[in-house]
Amino acid sequence: GAVVSQHPSRVICKSGTSVKIECRSLDFQATTMFWYRQFPKQSLMLMATSNEGSKATYEQGVEKDKFLINHASLTLSTLTVTSAHPEDSSFYICSAAGPNQPQHFGDGTRLSIL
Amino acid sequence: AQSVTQLGSHVSVSEGALVLLRCNYSSSVPPYLFWYVQYPNQGLQLLLKYTSAATLVKGINGFEAEFKKSETSFHLTKPSAHMSDAAEYFCAVTSTGDSSYKLIFGSGTRLLVRP
Repeated sequence: GAVVSQHPSRVICKSGTSVKIECRSLDFQATTMFWYRQFPKQSLMLMATSNEGSKATYEQGVEKDKFLINHASLTLSTLTVTSAHPEDSSFYICSAAGPNQPQHFGDGTRLSIL
Repeated sequence: AQSVTQLGSHVSVSEGALVLLRCNYSSSVPPYLFWYVQYPNQGLQLLLKYTSAATLVKGINGFEAEFKKSETSFHLTKPSAHMSDAAEYFCAVTSTGDSSYKLIFGSGTRLLVRP
């Protein structure tokens, strides 16, 4: 079946650094990708929706300058957490959708900012 | 606007017992409904989906769910729980069969299976 690969699975870095997370659709063309944030023992919160070749649409309350999303191809979207701080520590999950494909989720990235 | 309510943040059953996870939705348009499972430190895996065809939907791993419009419910069931079913389960709703449209998730239910 369709597979979405998310990398890295875990990252630990110092406060103030920027972190890039990749989300790849391995065997279908992902015209839309979604980025979610999940706090411990809570549900997924949609951060933004990105369509290939266009700017991402951010949900209310999500800082677009803080969370940079790029969807330059039909197989790759990236989320960059800029100048990360401890409050940005969380589990980030991407999903990809395409023609005749339901949303397929990556395995998530656990981000820890020290 | 659409929303999903999952009753019970934790459900505990004995191995071999019936699993029932509750989901009620609110939608002003005909809904498309989904159940996902999440294992620790992983993403979500689709169990099953309702897309306005048959009201009883069968999914993977022996799970099924029944869409009841009169009750605005889409409860998830499995006749006999296995230890491997222990995970977090999320119900989700959207308003279209187009997968490029965003899903609205419930708060999740953690299923515990006792030996």
